[in-house]
Amino acid sequence: SQTIHQWPATLVQPVGSPLSLECTVEGTSNPNLYWYRQAAGRGLQLLFYSVGIGQISSEVPQNLSASRPQDRQFILSSKKLLLSDSGFYLCAWSVQTGLHNEQFFGPGTRLTVL
Amino acid sequence: AQSVAQPEDQVNVAEGNPLTVKCTYSVSGNPYLFWYVQYPNRGLQFLLKYITGDNLVKGSYGFEAEFNKSQTSFHLKKPSALVSDSALYFCAVPSDGLGGGNKLTFGTGTQLKVEL
Repeated sequence: SQTIHQWPATLVQPVGSPLSLECTVEGTSNPNLYWYRQAAGRGLQLLFYSVGIGQISSEVPQNLSASRPQDRQFILSSKKLLLSDSGFYLCAWSVQTGLHNEQFFGPGTRLTVL
Repeated sequence: AQSVAQPEDQVNVAEGNPLTVKCTYSVSGNPYLFWYVQYPNRGLQFLLKYITGDNLVKGSYGFEAEFNKSQTSFHLKKPSALVSDSALYFCAVPSDGLGGGNKLTFGTGTQLKVEL
């Protein structure tokens, strides 16, 4: 069966510090991968998605970047965090074949920028 | 543009009573619709999806959803609510645009509170 991991689970960082959040998927090959941010426990905002190694699409311009160095690894980064980067970050995956497949989410990382 | 709307920020229901969480959609072409649940400080969990065929879709944890084309709705239902069903519920639809990726557009979420 497939599983998706995210770490760390929680993170408190000062403004201006770098960020690296990691997501890995097990039990599947060549998945689509996604990074979302959820602010104030409500709406989901898609930040990045990837259909393959090294292929990253950005949905909104922002202070963050993403990379996919391996097939089942997706990393969210920032060089200098802003207060507005605080939120709940969710990674998700879906199969590539077919259309309109459901996404499966990781447990999330709670980021607080002080 | 593909979109979904969840008109209720919060729904309160007594345990044992039936529950409904509403979702309406606006899509071009055939609708594909999803429901997810999110428990506090957790990721979203997939409940069910509608692709085609039977208008009543059964999913996880005893939930079902009714697709209604004339009303452009896809309401989530459960015959008898449990306190443990209290959570945030999202409906979703495939996003617009090129580039593939099987992206989803999520509604704003409905907080379900089931009370004893």
